[in-house]
Amino acid sequence: AQSVTQPDIHITVSEGASLELRCNYSYGATPYLFWYVQSPGQGLQLLLKYFSGDTLVQGIKGFEAEFKRSQSSFNLRKPSVHWSDAAEYFCAVGPAHGGNNRKLIWGLGTSLAVNP
Amino acid sequence: GAVVSQHPSWVICKSGTSVKIECRSLDFQATTMFWYRQFPKQSLMLMATSNEGSKATYEQGVEKDKFLINHASLTLSTLTVTSAHPEDSSFYICSARVWGQGASTDTQYFGPGTRLTVL
Repeated sequence: AQSVTQPDIHITVSEGASLELRCNYSYGATPYLFWYVQSPGQGLQLLLKYFSGDTLVQGIKGFEAEFKRSQSSFNLRKPSVHWSDAAEYFCAVGPAHGGNNRKLIWGLGTSLAVNP
Repeated sequence: GAVVSQHPSWVICKSGTSVKIECRSLDFQATTMFWYRQFPKQSLMLMATSNEGSKATYEQGVEKDKFLINHASLTLSTLTVTSAHPEDSSFYICSARVWGQGASTDTQYFGPGTRLTVL
């Protein structure tokens, strides 16, 4: 079955600390991977995506993610968290090939709180 | 670039009435738009895929007569919740798919969502 697992429902870090949000997927085809962030009252914003090539991808707001095929993971990282990073983070996977509609499968999200 | 708007941002209606939510791609054309529903503290649930000029494709368990989708142009898709009931209260989010030369450009851009409350 196709699925995306974000093991951590809620994470709290101190401002300035490093962050890693985990994402594991189960997908039968070559995956196309995304991380989105949803701030309170705002829409989902694309942080970064992986399609092919370099397995370490850089995104906006200082985020990066590493695709590890052997571990079926696509973990999101940031070396130094800012208070404004407090939000809900979603990992999603879709098909890399074919399909006009290219539906995404979503994880349940990780809620990030940042202590001052 | 790649801005998606939704209108209204929130709506309160009486049970039994119908509500229309608009989703617009402001600076690009979107042949495909998606409609999601999000419950509090939960992930996004795909309701349907809307393709310009054709009927929407609904996910299993979503009533197509309840949630009417129209994708009349390359920049506008609408979701109408017909005969709304309190259990339809939720956060509805649309996204528009951008794709160009090669799948690496294929990305969904999301609207800010519409909070529907049915009394």
